[in-house]
Amino acid sequence: GAGVSQSPSNKVTEKGKDVELRCDPISGHTALYWYRQSLGQGLEFLIYFQGNSAPDKSGLPSDRFSAERTGGSVSTLTIQRTQQEDSAVYLCASSLVWGGIDEQYFGPGTRLTVT
Amino acid sequence: GENVEQHPSTLSVQEGDSAVIKCTYSDSASNYFPWYKQELGKRPQLIIDIRSNVGEKKDQRIAVTLNKTAKHFSLHITETQPEDSAVYFCAASIWGKLQFGAGTQVVVTP
Repeated sequence: GAGVSQSPSNKVTEKGKDVELRCDPISGHTALYWYRQSLGQGLEFLIYFQGNSAPDKSGLPSDRFSAERTGGSVSTLTIQRTQQEDSAVYLCASSLVWGGIDEQYFGPGTRLTVT
Repeated sequence: GENVEQHPSTLSVQEGDSAVIKCTYSDSASNYFPWYKQELGKRPQLIIDIRSNVGEKKDQRIAVTLNKTAKHFSLHITETQPEDSAVYFCAASIWGKLQFGAGTQVVVTP
C-alpha cells in the first residue's frame, strides 16, 4: 500500500516568511510524528500526535512552530517567521498504534531552505 | 528527558568483516529500541528493533542485544557487504517519542 507522503519535497523561503509542511500518514495509522534532521545530523523529535489525545509538543523548539492533525489523518507543520537556523529536512512518520512499541514509518521528508 | 549516545561516529570495515555499533540511554522507562538505516538522500528505514522484555534478537546478518541493567544496546552486522554502507541510527522510545543517537557512518570497503 501507499507509504507516508510529504509535500512539498523542497521548499525555499525567505527569512521571516511563514511555511506549511504537509504529511499524509499511512491509512489507519493512529500515531503521527514530526522530526527534524539538520545537515549531517541525527533526528530531532518535534511533536507527536497519539490518537485522540492531546499531542506531545515537548520537542517544538520555539513558539514559532506549531502543528495540527485534522480528522485523525493529514497533519500540517507550520513555521512562522522562519529563521535561517530552521533550514533542515523535516520528516514525518506514522505508526499503527501509539504507545511507543510499534514501527514508525518515515516519509521522504521536506527539505526546507531559509535564505 | 531521554538522552541517547551512539558510538562510533564513523566505522570503516572490510567486506566480510563484522560491524558493531553501541548505544547507551539514560531513562530506564524506555521500552522500545529501534535501529534505522539511512542511505544518502533517502528516508530512514527500520532494520531491526527490540523491546525491553527481550535481551537479543536476530534477523539474518543483523542482530541487536539489549542490557537493561547497564542501559545499553548494540547492533551487530556480520558478513558485511558494500550495500550495508549507510548511516545507522539507534533510538530509544518512551511512549512513542523516539530519541535518536547521532548516527554512525558505516563504510564497507571491497
